[in-house]
Amino acid sequence: GAGVSQSPSNKVTEKGKDVELRCDPISGHTALYWYRQRLGQGLEFLIYFQGNSAPDKSGLPSDRFSAERTGESVSTLTIQRTQQEDSAVYLCASSPRRNEKLFFGSGTQLSVL
Amino acid sequence: DQQVKQNSPSLSVQEGRISILNCDYTNSMFDYFLWYKKYPAEGPTFLISISSIKDKNEDGRFTVFLNKSAKHLSLHIVPSQPGDSAVYFCAASSPNYGGSQGNLIFGKGTKLSVKP
Repeated sequence: GAGVSQSPSNKVTEKGKDVELRCDPISGHTALYWYRQRLGQGLEFLIYFQGNSAPDKSGLPSDRFSAERTGESVSTLTIQRTQQEDSAVYLCASSPRRNEKLFFGSGTQLSVL
Repeated sequence: DQQVKQNSPSLSVQEGRISILNCDYTNSMFDYFLWYKKYPAEGPTFLISISSIKDKNEDGRFTVFLNKSAKHLSLHIVPSQPGDSAVYFCAASSPNYGGSQGNLIFGKGTKLSVKP
């Protein structure tokens, strides 16, 4: 597709369950980012992939959060044993290279009950 | 500790007037600044950027000003239009923030309402 695609667009889960969020970046974009936005807050950096380099995981809030990306393709963000404070919009973005403007997907609205 | 601050959560202006959105930062290593616009239920979209070697960048109705000594940047929209109503995020990055590259730090956003 022409833009960054995220799925699902909405996810409702029960506390303690695992969830997996998917991001399809723009073809050819080497950089991929995950952010989250809690209600009334700004965009919080989670993790950054650049080509085949080791990802920058410095923004992951706990070891319940992990993400993978194979090459320059799809990325998945996994949250294990979800908690209510994990409720947020999870945004994926890609860019052609570092420090280029980011192209965001529409996000996944995660609600943990 | 917020490194990028947008102290005004909301701003309301009349159509045709100037909108000025402000952003302050604390990290002097930031060398690249961007503004994003976000409509409800959509991801942010890039609006305009500025490198730290410049103090002004203009694109149509949008102009970003950078004052490095004050660690302050602002986005001017002239003339404002109702379609500009959205949340505006300021973002900054540095060549080697936290040991990584390319990590953008965002402010909390300012909700702009342009009234007809």
